[in-house]
Formats: sequence, C-alpha cells, structure tokens
Amino acid sequence: DAKTTQPNSMESNEEEPVHLPCNHSTISGTDYIHWYRQLPSQGPEYVIHGLTSNVNNRMASLAIAEDRKSSTLILHRATLRDAAVYYCILRDTNFGNEKLTFGTGTRLTIIP
Amino acid sequence: DAGVTQSPTHLIKTRGQQVTLRCSPKSGHDTVSWYQQALGQGPQFIFQYYEEEERQRGNFPDRFSGHQFPNYSSELNVNALLLGDSALYLCASSLLGGRDYGYTFGSGTRLTVV
Repeated sequence: DAKTTQPNSMESNEEEPVHLPCNHSTISGTDYIHWYRQLPSQGPEYVIHGLTSNVNNRMASLAIAEDRKSSTLILHRATLRDAAVYYCILRDTNFGNEKLTFGTGTRLTIIP
Repeated sequence: DAGVTQSPTHLIKTRGQQVTLRCSPKSGHDTVSWYQQALGQGPQFIFQYYEEEERQRGNFPDRFSGHQFPNYSSELNVNALLLGDSALYLCASSLLGGRDYGYTFGSGTRLTVV
C-alpha cells in the first residue's frame, strides 16, 4: 500500500485559513487522494477527495501537486469545530482493493 | 437519513471470552467494512463484506470473523479475546459501484478486555 506522510500536529488561529500538507511520493496512477477527519469520540468523517485536479466542496478545498506526489487540504476559515485529527489516505480504485489505509494523521488544534 | 449505526456503544469482556459487534449501514449502501482503532493510532482495516461474502481482509488473525446479512447489516465476531483486542471498533459503509465517493463511518463500539 502506498504510504502518506503528515505532520503529527498543527495549530491555527480561529477564523484563519489552515493548510494541512501531505506527502505521497509513491502514489500510483489508480490512487485517489482522500481526506478524512476524526473529531473526539466519533468515527472518521469524509472530507474531500481528488485524483489530479484541485477540488472544492462545502467543507474544504484540496490542492494536488502537478506530479501528484503531494497535496494540501485547505480549510478556508477555521472554527473551533474543525479541531480534529486529519487523515490523508491513498485509496486504490482497483476492484477488490478499495480499503482505506490510515496513518496517524495530523492533530489540528484551533486557538480561539 | 440515518447514517451508520453500531451497537453496543461500549462493552467490557474478560480475556478468553467471545464478543459480537453489530452494524447497520447507511441507507442505500451495500458494502460494510470493519476497522480497529487502538488508542492514539489510526484505524486499521480488518475486512470488508459485499453480497454476504468477505471481499478483502487485512492483517488480522482468524479469531476475527464476520458476517453480512441479506439486508446488508453486518456483525464482527472476535473469539478468545486478548487484552490487546481492547480498542474502538468502527464500521464503515459504502456503495461498491461508487468507488469515487467516501465511506460513511459509525461512531464505533468501545471494547475493553480485562
């Protein structure tokens, strides 16, 4: 399974943008880049995913490097409710191998 | 629209006992995956069920087994419990054909083995 590398922790001020980096230098052509977050005492929650192009949804934006070896999750205006562990995951879309392989993620702390 | 429902929410068992955890997938989903999350770690994939068959399995011993029912709900069984099986067990559902989209996770069952 292709691996991802994320910082263990990050801090950001409330109402400011947050950029969460992820390195995935061994990504293959069939891997989608997925982001999940896990709030305290909850299961992981899907945030966003992409293949090659940058993606936006109501929760966040995903910026993908041209060589696909890194990506950045962007929270445009952090709130206290965004404090969570954020996981960057490569999901193989080959039939029969769609499991999610989680790392230890980035623990995001929001400072009021 | 109900999401993924897991039961029970908490459970305490003794070493050597057996446990069954239950999961109802999100409406419209046909595939159920189970994950184990130890304290401070990311979730680890146990196995995935589709059409009542195990499709894919992670690196877990045979003590971990599962089942999927015709209504897509699922059970995770763990035999001969060890102290190291203490963890949060997460169920995730998805639509097999919708590989572009995310999994929906439940809030988990916290298993403590004493």
